[in-house]
Amino acid sequence: KNEVEQSPQNLTAQEGEFITINCSYSVGISALHWLQQHPGGGIVSLFMLSSGKKKHGRLIATINIQEKHSSLHITASHPRDSAVYICAALQGAQKLVFGQGTRLTINP
Amino acid sequence: NAGVTQTPKFQVLKTGQSMTLQCAQDMNHNSMYWYRQDPGMGLRLIYYSASEGTTDKGEVPNGYNVSRLNKREFSLRLESAAPSQTSVYFCASTRGGTGGHGYGYTFGSGTRLTVV
Repeated sequence: KNEVEQSPQNLTAQEGEFITINCSYSVGISALHWLQQHPGGGIVSLFMLSSGKKKHGRLIATINIQEKHSSLHITASHPRDSAVYICAALQGAQKLVFGQGTRLTINP
Repeated sequence: NAGVTQTPKFQVLKTGQSMTLQCAQDMNHNSMYWYRQDPGMGLRLIYYSASEGTTDKGEVPNGYNVSRLNKREFSLRLESAAPSQTSVYFCASTRGGTGGHGYGYTFGSGTRLTVV
């Protein structure tokens, strides 16, 4: 079993839908990162969480430390949100453990 | 623009050849990392440098060496490339240091390496 599990692995939705991507981890963490990998391959850091909730534009990330679970939500989804979303758990100061990613496709 | 610059973007090597992947950041970050990304697997840490002058093995270090040349530059060397090293390689940096958990990561654009 991977230390960081994401679900679903693939998600296809229509433009405008509310999207939720889940991340569960089985290790102790100091922070939880959400990353976005564009179709061209570049990786962008979206959020770094150690507790609670963060919001940036249409993206919201939450974390429940007790349940070892984090979610990434996208409101009013748009085709440009199509990408792979990656959850990564930071163990200690240096070790990021990555989930396998969720491939999101938003159709117009 | 500030960020992480990786070179080259693409490379094809023959088995047994050597090469160095270059990475430089201009954000005065303390910590730098090399990851590989393979289909169906998450990113995996090859080596990292928590601060200038230090390097440490990650999850999959075999077949690789690294050099933290200065605070800006962190190179990854394949001494004798093998087909199993065919992958996409990403360099990343964070302000980090020993308290790295407080900061986000910046990734380079990746190097797509094929070993034939």
